[in-house]
Amino acid sequence: AQSVTQPDIHITVSEGASLELRCNYSYGATPYLFWYVQSPGQGLQLLLKYFSGDTLVQGIKGFEAEFKRSQSSFNLRKPSVHWSDAAEYFCAVGAGGGADGLTFGKGTHLIIQP
Amino acid sequence: DAGITQSPRHKVTETGTPVTLRCHQTENHRYMYWYRQDPGHGLRLIHYSYGVKDTDKGEVSDGYSVSRSKTEDFLLTLESATSSQTSVYFCATGGAGSTDTQYFGPGTRLTVL
Repeated sequence: AQSVTQPDIHITVSEGASLELRCNYSYGATPYLFWYVQSPGQGLQLLLKYFSGDTLVQGIKGFEAEFKRSQSSFNLRKPSVHWSDAAEYFCAVGAGGGADGLTFGKGTHLIIQP
Repeated sequence: DAGITQSPRHKVTETGTPVTLRCHQTENHRYMYWYRQDPGHGLRLIHYSYGVKDTDKGEVSDGYSVSRSKTEDFLLTLESATSSQTSVYFCATGGAGSTDTQYFGPGTRLTVL
């Protein structure tokens, strides 16, 4: 079975600084990888996804993520964060080819300092 | 975004009572999912459906049942609610199972006293 680890429960970043959120996955075959963002009291919104091809994927709101098979990682990055980026971020993996749902990490809570 | 609504959005109930949560989608997606979100656990899959009347269990299915009689509706039932089922419940839909983007509803906050 697949699993996802987000090592950082909380991260605090100053507004305007760069951001990297870590995600490590465990899955035997080529994974389908996702990053979702959840603002307080809201549902989850897809930021970006990786299925195949270019290992650097671009998403909405200026986010990007890089798939590194050798490190089983799919880290999320943003060059300059804005106060509105404060939210909960979830990495998820899909098994591929199946009907079952995604496996999510436990999330990283991003705090933006002024 | 996919048109996904959940009802009710908030519910308080008592231990031992049955509860049904509804998910309605307007995107004609084949796959539908119920997740629960708890602090420190992220989202965990309860049940999913891969077509009308086709459902299967997820990671945390004990104490829950589901039904899907129409493409657009997916119901989650707690037969006899317990305090451990206090959670936020999210419905999601997708076109191609776990290989496709899942779109999430706004969530239902359920409190079992």
